[in-house]
Amino acid sequence: GNSVTQMEGPVTLSEEAFLTINCTYTATGYPSLFWYVQYPGEGLQLLLKATKADDKGSNKGFEATYRKETTSFHLEKGSVQVSDSAVYFCALSDRGSTGNQFYFGTGTSLTVIP
Amino acid sequence: GAGVSQSPSNKVTEKGKDVELRCDPISGHTALYWYRQSLGQGLEFLIYFQGNSAPDKSGLPSDRFSAERTGGSVSTLTIQRTQQEDSAVYLCASSLGVASTDTQYFGPGTRLTVL
Repeated sequence: GNSVTQMEGPVTLSEEAFLTINCTYTATGYPSLFWYVQYPGEGLQLLLKATKADDKGSNKGFEATYRKETTSFHLEKGSVQVSDSAVYFCALSDRGSTGNQFYFGTGTSLTVIP
Repeated sequence: GAGVSQSPSNKVTEKGKDVELRCDPISGHTALYWYRQSLGQGLEFLIYFQGNSAPDKSGLPSDRFSAERTGGSVSTLTIQRTQQEDSAVYLCASSLGVASTDTQYFGPGTRLTVL
């Protein structure tokens, strides 16, 4: 079956530090991969996505590359800011027998301190 | 354009009461999803509607939970005889169609508290 496993949190970094949040997946088909972000008190927002192997999604300085060989979609940012403090969710979308199914990881909480 | 909207934003109810949560998806989106997010937890899939097809109810935790989608647009999630463990944020999302490349757009959620 399909599933997403992401790095346990919480993660605390100093401003300008390098960020990696690991995400690996299991899929039976050819999924699309997503990172969603949830800022404090807000709903989930799409951060970036990649729809096929070797694609790189990027947005707001964040990047993730769809690696089929390692079934991974790790989120990276070279220099985090306080405003990046949020919960990050890795997700995959796969076309199942009943339609388009989404599978989410459990979320990784990031706190960036000045 | 307008995003996904949900109402109410907060709901406090007493154990044993029924509640209805509403979701208005983005206009033209054929797929609609309900999730539950408990404190400190990830997203738990509840139910999925796609066009006029029968919904995928595989995530509903018990028969106290039901949902309908009228006219392929607005959806209502109903929880009967609420229990304290039902307290959570209920999220609705919609997407354009059935392609796995389609992005889900989330509403702000309804925070349900069962006393």
